[in-house]
Amino acid sequence: NAGVTQTPKFRVLKTGQSMTLLCAQDMNHEYMYWYRQDPGMGLRLIHYSVGEGTTAKGEVPDGYNVSRLKKQNFLLGLESAAPSQTSVYFCASSYFSQGAFGANVLTFGAGSRLTVL
Amino acid sequence: DQQVKQNSPSLSVQEGRISILNCDYTNSMFDYFLWYKKYPAEGPTFLISISSIKDKNEDGRFTVFLNKSAKHLSLHIVPSQPGDSAVYFCAAKGNTDKLIFGTGTRLQVFP
Repeated sequence: NAGVTQTPKFRVLKTGQSMTLLCAQDMNHEYMYWYRQDPGMGLRLIHYSVGEGTTAKGEVPDGYNVSRLKKQNFLLGLESAAPSQTSVYFCASSYFSQGAFGANVLTFGAGSRLTVL
Repeated sequence: DQQVKQNSPSLSVQEGRISILNCDYTNSMFDYFLWYKKYPAEGPTFLISISSIKDKNEDGRFTVFLNKSAKHLSLHIVPSQPGDSAVYFCAAKGNTDKLIFGTGTRLQVFP
């Protein structure tokens, strides 16, 4: 069972280029998330989605766009890459849960390392 | 404004001893807390969680304690093993769909 798969795993971009990171999950999870990890900053939420066709902003949404056209896929786009977007990006998914326990127990992908020169 | 803080970036513990990782939060609306563990070149994996209605949750060698009045939680690992060497993130959730993570603590368990 694949869980959460991110592609590509590595990418080098030049300033101003665009690209899309793809996240796919096979667990029928409702919720999907994009985080970035930077040294000393931990994991910061970029955008998230609570279901197919819906997206919402997280803590650091500027410079990114997302789409959730299919339940199993969550795309993160950079329209004009900047060096400040050099980071490791993690996609995650979780079940929708109305209870306290089990809520937001995220399953993460292995990460995508992006370098913007 | 960092709502979830892990003030110790690193911790070194001898094998067999107790590891204590700390986490502080500022948002009193947080009602659910989780710990994740991350190895290099892998995504974080869920370790243990606690709801605000409890003050302790235990799972094998891992115990999480919550002090709501102090807005503080801690993860105890006993006994520590070399395979526990990883980065540990605490995370908190309130009445939104967002899970907010701390900055992480790198734990090294040496023989």
